[in-house]
Amino acid sequence: KAGVTQTPRYLIKTRGQQVTLSCSPISGHRSVSWYQQTPGQGLQFLFEYFSETQRNKGNFPGRFSGRQFSNSRSEMNVSTLELGDSALYLCASSPNLPETQYFGPGTRLLVL
Amino acid sequence: QKEVEQNSGPLSVPEGAIASLNCTYSDRGSQSFFWYRQYSGKSPELIMFIYSNGDKEDGRFTAQLNKASQYVSLLIRDSQPSDSATYLCAVPLTGGGNKLTFGTGTQLKVEL
Repeated sequence: KAGVTQTPRYLIKTRGQQVTLSCSPISGHRSVSWYQQTPGQGLQFLFEYFSETQRNKGNFPGRFSGRQFSNSRSEMNVSTLELGDSALYLCASSPNLPETQYFGPGTRLLVL
Repeated sequence: QKEVEQNSGPLSVPEGAIASLNCTYSDRGSQSFFWYRQYSGKSPELIMFIYSNGDKEDGRFTAQLNKASQYVSLLIRDSQPSDSATYLCAVPLTGGGNKLTFGTGTQLKVEL
């Protein structure tokens, strides 16, 4: 099976702009979770979608949002970018159980 | 107190030795525990997971749980230079669904 794919892999934006990241889960996986990874804070949970519904949400401001489509593909959006949003954004897919979360390669976002 | 804590390291071991990585967790009700390996510049890769009912061995890797002291260990036998990476411990957040809280990771260096 093909793994989790994320696009784009690298992105450079300026403060105040918005960005949309995409994630295609492993075929048959219905759960998609998003994480932010930074050197200072490590890996932090953003949100999880299952069957097009947000099932869980982490402690991030409302500028961070996401959605899931009927084919399980997911997008996350960050509006009004801040310098501190520079990070590696990781998507993980799972059939449904946390022990089988598989991560994609990530999107590295740099905000200037 | 953070929910999951790890010593950042680096932990240096000679090739062929046993590497022991530890992780403490705060939620006494946690039922499952996950170990991920992350090479520099790459995304996390699931190594193994255990439930609160027992330890687990998979090849050179063994995960052990000490519920009384609330820590979980990952032992790597016959350490190889290719094991040099950051090892992340993760525990599901309360509320169900696929949301993991991660430790900041322990950097392991296996020296020739």
